[in-house]
Amino acid sequence: GQNIDQPTEMTATEGAIVQINCTYQTSGFNGLFWYQQHAGEAPTFLSYNVLDGLEEKGRFSSFLSRSKGYSYLLLKELQMKDSASYLCAVRSTMNNNAGNMLTFGGGTRLMVKP
Amino acid sequence: EAGVVQSPRYKIIEKKQPVAFWCNPISGHNTLYWYRQNLGQGPELLIRYENEEAVDDSQLPKDRFSAERLKGVDSTLKIQPAELGDSAVYLCASSPVSGPNTGELFFGEGSRLTVL
Repeated sequence: GQNIDQPTEMTATEGAIVQINCTYQTSGFNGLFWYQQHAGEAPTFLSYNVLDGLEEKGRFSSFLSRSKGYSYLLLKELQMKDSASYLCAVRSTMNNNAGNMLTFGGGTRLMVKP
Repeated sequence: EAGVVQSPRYKIIEKKQPVAFWCNPISGHNTLYWYRQNLGQGPELLIRYENEEAVDDSQLPKDRFSAERLKGVDSTLKIQPAELGDSAVYLCASSPVSGPNTGELFFGEGSRLTVL
């Protein structure tokens, strides 16, 4: 099976930097995704890591360490509109080679305060 | 390009009643997913289709849930009869290719079900 852990809630100040951690245990690891989900809306893709290291995309960066089963999402220059849930999702190859499946963590609700 | 379309957006029913949700994926996307998301939690996979074939339905409660994807395009998810615990948001997602190079998932806005 798979186990994905991330903090339930975090609070940060506008203009600051926040790091959201995600740890996972899985067999057949084949990539890690971060999604953003505003309340009442659909999840939207933020980043993807399959190799170790840091992927930077504007104010958002995502890091992966496969040996440690660890990833983080780094948000810089926080804005009020960044208040949302951030979902860590792990892709793994299925045992029957029927394709890939994406399993989500419980999400981290980030509240950005003025 | 049109995104994933779901309907209805909201549905309120009494327990033991049937309910159905419809999803139209992005054109050309072979893979279609149904997820259920409870309040404050992450999405949980119910079923995954590759074209018209259900390749992973291990998490689908088959005693009351059913799904189909005729012609490998649109899909419906049905619950009959609904129970109080089925209240959740039902998310449909699609992705263009399955296999080692599967890309991101594109989600619809979801169907919020309330069972009274």
